[in-house]
Amino acid sequence: DVKVTQSSRYLVKRTGEKVFLECVQDMDHENMFWYRQDPGLGLRLIYFSYDVKMKEKGDIPEGYSVSREKKERFSLILESASTNQTSMYLCASSLATYEQYFGPGTRLTVT
Amino acid sequence: DAKTTQPPSMDCAEGRAANLPCNHSTISGNEYVYWYRQIHSQGPQYIIHGLKNNETNEMASLIITEDRKSSTLILPHATLRDTAVYYCIVTAGNQFYFGTGTSLTVIP
Repeated sequence: DVKVTQSSRYLVKRTGEKVFLECVQDMDHENMFWYRQDPGLGLRLIYFSYDVKMKEKGDIPEGYSVSREKKERFSLILESASTNQTSMYLCASSLATYEQYFGPGTRLTVT
Repeated sequence: DAKTTQPPSMDCAEGRAANLPCNHSTISGNEYVYWYRQIHSQGPQYIIHGLKNNETNEMASLIITEDRKSSTLILPHATLRDTAVYYCIVTAGNQFYFGTGTSLTVIP
C-alpha cells in the first residue's frame, strides 16, 4: 500500500514564524502536491512537483514556497506565517498521471 | 475553475444503493473522470476513475453517459462508514480540481 506521511497532525504557530510542513511518500512517486482545505472552499492546490528540484505553482502559491531535494520528500514552507494561513494542509503523491494518494493532513493554527 | 457540478448534499438509507451524480458538460476527449471521498478529518481517498466505459471495482461502480457530459458514482450497498464528502474531478493530467463535492449521509 502507498503510504504518505506528514510530519504533524496538529501544529500551532505564532504570526511571523517560519513554518515547515514535511511530507514523505514511500512508493517512488514522481509527482507530489500540497493542498490546503478550508470550509466551503474545498481543496485548493498550492504547489506541485514533477521531479526532484522541480516545482510548479498551483492556484494559491502566495505566501508559500516548497522544496524537493529528494524524490520521497516534499516540504511546504510558510516564510512568515499569518492568521489567514490557518488551515488543513494536505500532501499527496502520484505516479505519472495516475491517481493521487493523500496523507492524513496537518491542521495548522496561526495565532 | 470548476469543471464539474455536484449537488451539495444527499442522504441514503443504510443498505441501499447510493447514486451520486456529477455533471461535466465541458469535458474534453482526453479527460478522465475521477472520484474521491473524504471522511471527516482524513485525507481524500481514491475510489475509481474512467474515460469512456463504465468501470467497477471493489468499492464502487462508475457510470459515464455516452456523450460523457455526466457520470454517476454508485455505492451498491451503502454503510454508515460511507458517510463522507464525495468529489468528482475531471482531468487530463496531474492537476486535480476538487471543488466542494457532495456530502453523503448514510442514515441507519
